[in-house]
Amino acid sequence: DVKVTQSSRYLVKRTGEKVFLECVQDMDHENMFWYRQDPGLGLRLIYFSYDVKMKEKGDIPEGYSVSREKKERFSLILESASTNQTSMYLCASSFGGTAYEQYFGPGTRLTVT
Amino acid sequence: AQTVTQSQPEMSVQEAETVTLSCTYDTSESDYYLFWYKQPPSRQMILVIRQEAYKQQNATENRFSVNFQKAAKSFSLKISDSQLGDAAMYFCAYRSALWGGTSYGKLTFGQGTILTVHP
Repeated sequence: DVKVTQSSRYLVKRTGEKVFLECVQDMDHENMFWYRQDPGLGLRLIYFSYDVKMKEKGDIPEGYSVSREKKERFSLILESASTNQTSMYLCASSFGGTAYEQYFGPGTRLTVT
Repeated sequence: AQTVTQSQPEMSVQEAETVTLSCTYDTSESDYYLFWYKQPPSRQMILVIRQEAYKQQNATENRFSVNFQKAAKSFSLKISDSQLGDAAMYFCAYRSALWGGTSYGKLTFGQGTILTVHP
């Protein structure tokens, strides 16, 4: 079974803190994605990576950065957390190319106070 | 840019009945994939069904089937013999078949439809 894990299910941080969300996949997938889920907006892509050290901005990259030093791990970084970044964050991974299914992690619900 | 619209924020169905969830999308591309994902209260997103745009035949997976109307850019999901375990948020999603540019296989999601199943 494909497994995508995320470091925390729930996280509470203060405004201005630096926040790291970690995602690990065990299927040797080339592609990894970070989405943000908000009510009424569905999921929106923040960043994606198609190879180690390679990254591309998604639809809403402002206020976020990413890191992919190893193929299995993709980190989302909030340099200075703000209350409008309170949301559900979902990580996904897939093999390279567009024909392959994306597998999702269980999500991290982040609250910034 | 592609957009996906789910106009039904909530739907409900009686157990064993049939329900249809609607989805429309906008794209100028001719080759793409469409998906329905299910997100139960556990939050784990699960792929329900996928449709390749070049295939005219509608995809089916057991009790789940789609009505894909390419010209109308419509992609609805029909759930037959609804079960209590079908209760979840359902998302329609689009993915370009092109690789590169602003794509790289990203999914564009609709707003989601919450499905309630009554016993």
